[in-house]
Amino acid sequence: AQKVTQAQTEISVVEKEDVTLDCVYETRDTTYYLFWYKQPPSGELVFLIRRNSFDEQNEISGRYSWNFQKSTSSFNFTITASQVVDSAVYFCALSATFSGGYQKVTFGTGTKLQVIP
Amino acid sequence: DAMVIQNPRYQVTQFGKPVTLSCSQTLNHNVMYWYQQKSSQAPKLLFHYYDKDFNNEADTPDNFQSRRPNTSFCFLDIRSPGLGDAAMYLCATSRKKTSGYNEQFFGPGTRLTVL
Repeated sequence: AQKVTQAQTEISVVEKEDVTLDCVYETRDTTYYLFWYKQPPSGELVFLIRRNSFDEQNEISGRYSWNFQKSTSSFNFTITASQVVDSAVYFCALSATFSGGYQKVTFGTGTKLQVIP
Repeated sequence: DAMVIQNPRYQVTQFGKPVTLSCSQTLNHNVMYWYQQKSSQAPKLLFHYYDKDFNNEADTPDNFQSRRPNTSFCFLDIRSPGLGDAAMYLCATSRKKTSGYNEQFFGPGTRLTVL
């Protein structure tokens, strides 16, 4: 069974502050993938990043950075110098490939981020 | 641009009146998925198609059915919508591979309101 926990339901920060969104996962698979998605009020899921279980290198993309630690089963997401446009619900997700060759994605419950001007 | 399209973006139906949601894709992916996302909750997989093979999640209610007449289109039919079926419905596609990751591409979703 797969499980993703996002303990932070809602976070409010003032613009230009840094903010970290936490994600803890559980899986018995040795090969799996972790993701972060952004869902703005319009509802569309926007893909942000994918990491596989063998790559623990942290990644930085502009103001976004991700910290993957297998030892603690965590995949945290940090936004540096937050902006109002970052306001959205952010989902952490976990996926493993089933024998049929398709993915089953398990989403966390999401963290609603509000960036206050 | 290749993409996943969902129509309509907003759908209103009456309690008990059958409704169909549509998803089409230009990616030529052989796997298509339907997710239900209720307010303030995570998306939940309802079922998926691998080509014409239908795979239902164990806890998907019988009220939800799906059709995939060809590679490009997939429909979600709700036979007798209840108030609890009001949600965002997300369609996604992926290419089947025997190894590695098959990225899922999501459509914009259809927000269903049940009156």
